[in-house]
Amino acid sequence: ETGVTQSPTHLIKTRGQQVTLRCSSQSGHNTVSWYQQALGQGPQFIFQYYREEENGRGNFPPRFSGLQFPNYSSELNVNALELDDSALYLCASSAGDLGGPYNEQFFGPGTRLTVL
Amino acid sequence: QKEVEQDPGPLSVPEGAIVSLNCTYSNSAFQYFMWYRQYSRKGPELLMYTYSSGNKEDGRFTAQVDKSSKYISLFIRDSQPSDSATYLCAMRGVDNQGGKLIFGQGTELSVKP
Repeated sequence: ETGVTQSPTHLIKTRGQQVTLRCSSQSGHNTVSWYQQALGQGPQFIFQYYREEENGRGNFPPRFSGLQFPNYSSELNVNALELDDSALYLCASSAGDLGGPYNEQFFGPGTRLTVL
Repeated sequence: QKEVEQDPGPLSVPEGAIVSLNCTYSNSAFQYFMWYRQYSRKGPELLMYTYSSGNKEDGRFTAQVDKSSKYISLFIRDSQPSDSATYLCAMRGVDNQGGKLIFGQGTELSVKP
């Protein structure tokens, strides 16, 4: 088990609604990355936060947004939910520039979002 | 064309078999190559990582990277039923903050007793 926690575990929403997912990073980590994993697919990078600033974004529309707080925990917000947003949302924390050139990302268990 | 291609399987082998899992990629900027294991309803956990080309061994697991062919492999020796999971290859370039990982689709492995 990593020290990364996510809440909630499961969530059911309807199309058009908004959702907020939360992630607590491992102690000592200042970087959080979010991934979307559709059923039967590998995780896809959404964005990364480093010391409270967005530091890289994947090919996701602006209705996917995030925050990182001073304690390095993070939120992922998705507005105007679509059916295709149904997926497992994973966050991963890493030590950023404190971790050397490799910077292993430690994944949480994920939040499973179902959009009806 | 996806940046990382991985045969999704499923792959079923008897206990004790040698398992070979592979990925190909197209981006020559990738420098770090990783294999993750993901059990059902869990997040991915890192098995091994390799920097640039070469081999790396850890117990029953061996990772190989051939950058000239843009091809990476994971070998599992003496496979066990507990190895049954989805195996994801992932890769990234060099940067300071850990950067985005590009994952393959994942290969579902089942090891039968």
